[in-house]
Amino acid sequence: DILLTQSPSFLSASIGDRVTITCRASQGISRHLAWYQQKQGKAPKLLIYTTSTLQSGVPSRFSGSGSGTEFTLTISSLQPEDFATYYCQQYNVYPRTFGPGTKVDIK
Amino acid sequence: QEHLVESGGGVVQPGRSLRLSCEASKFRFKDYGMNWVRQAAGKGLEWLAIISYDGRSNYYADSVKGRFTISRDNSKRTLYLQMNSLRPEDTAVYFCTRSSPLDHDDAFDVWGQGTMVTVSS
Repeated sequence: DILLTQSPSFLSASIGDRVTITCRASQGISRHLAWYQQKQGKAPKLLIYTTSTLQSGVPSRFSGSGSGTEFTLTISSLQPEDFATYYCQQYNVYPRTFGPGTKVDIK
Repeated sequence: QEHLVESGGGVVQPGRSLRLSCEASKFRFKDYGMNWVRQAAGKGLEWLAIISYDGRSNYYADSVKGRFTISRDNSKRTLYLQMNSLRPEDTAVYFCTRSSPLDHDDAFDVWGQGTMVTVSS
């Protein structure tokens, strides 16, 4: 199985901050990586797929990059509605796997 | 707006069975693969299973292989998860979600709201 690790697992940031979350895969997954945002008590929401393609309706302050085994999600200017937990997911092979999540909290 | 609604969750004793359903609307259900993902309280997301658009192929996570069965009825636009031999560690919120290599590159772009399953004596 492909193991995904995320760093940091928790980050505290202020409104307007630039935030970067890293996702590393235990083996190459091409560009078959997605990012999801999940708020408390809600279903996950797709933000980015194919490493860097923004899902329709997602603000342009979100961006993704990477390939192979290392990927990043960047929020260019953190907004109040961005405080949530973010998960990466690989869909290159089965079983599909998710990273453990990064919780973004208010400083 | 595409919509998925899960149902069938509840409290069940260890060793017993439960069947979850996921009803789809506002999209061509028969064109999409469908997945089940679960989340235990305070924990991360765990992918469980996928079934192809036509129901002919499926894959499972090792944690549920042999105990859970994913199926679908395209005429009813409904996905199912039959869960047997339930264990306390199966306690979680269960989400259904769709995917297709022809749409969003197989990422999970539409999710249901989830249904809670509690396995306890």
